[in-house]
Amino acid sequence: QKEVEQDPGPLSVPEGAIVSLNCTYSNSAFQYFMWYRQYSRKGPELLMYTYSSGNKEDGRFTAQVDKSSKYISLFIRDSQPSDSATYLCASQKNTGNQFYFGTGTSLTVIP
Amino acid sequence: DGGITQSPKYLFRKEGQNVTLSCEQNLNHDAMYWYRQDPGQGLRLIYYSQIVNDFQKGDIAEGYSVSREKKESFPLTVTSAQKNPTAFYLCASSILDRGGQPQHFGDGTRLSIL
Repeated sequence: QKEVEQDPGPLSVPEGAIVSLNCTYSNSAFQYFMWYRQYSRKGPELLMYTYSSGNKEDGRFTAQVDKSSKYISLFIRDSQPSDSATYLCASQKNTGNQFYFGTGTSLTVIP
Repeated sequence: DGGITQSPKYLFRKEGQNVTLSCEQNLNHDAMYWYRQDPGQGLRLIYYSQIVNDFQKGDIAEGYSVSREKKESFPLTVTSAQKNPTAFYLCASSILDRGGQPQHFGDGTRLSIL
């Protein structure tokens, strides 16, 4: 079993829709959670970074962590064509610097 | 402008040839990483380094080598022993801490076989 599981999609939504991207993880030692956005032929760009359970909001993006169910979510409100990319979730333990990535979900927002 | 610079953007390797991918960062980060990205497989860790002159193997180190002679530089050599080198290679760096410091990535090098 992989440490972090992510549905690869692809996911296609109309412009203006609310998008929900999800990951699950297996290791209860994970304390830090990240979402990255990756455009084609580019490196991943850090979008959201959260610690432990709870919500974090940044503009149209909300990251949510539920440690009781080991579930990580990213919500995108009022989705735009420029949000079309692959979204990667990642987790990190409290000590050390090894990161565990999901395989990425491909999102297309249709104008 | 702080960031991570990977070069070249595209690289072609002939059979039996070693090639070196460059990664330079000016973020003053202690830790640096190399990942390989293949379609449907996500990011797989090749090597990482937390301090100059020291590095550790990741999950798929066979056929690769690295060096860390300077804090800002972490080049990756893809040797002829790596039989399936075609992939997108990503370099990342982070602050070294007990935990809780995200990675930042360069824009990658795409390696193909001639």
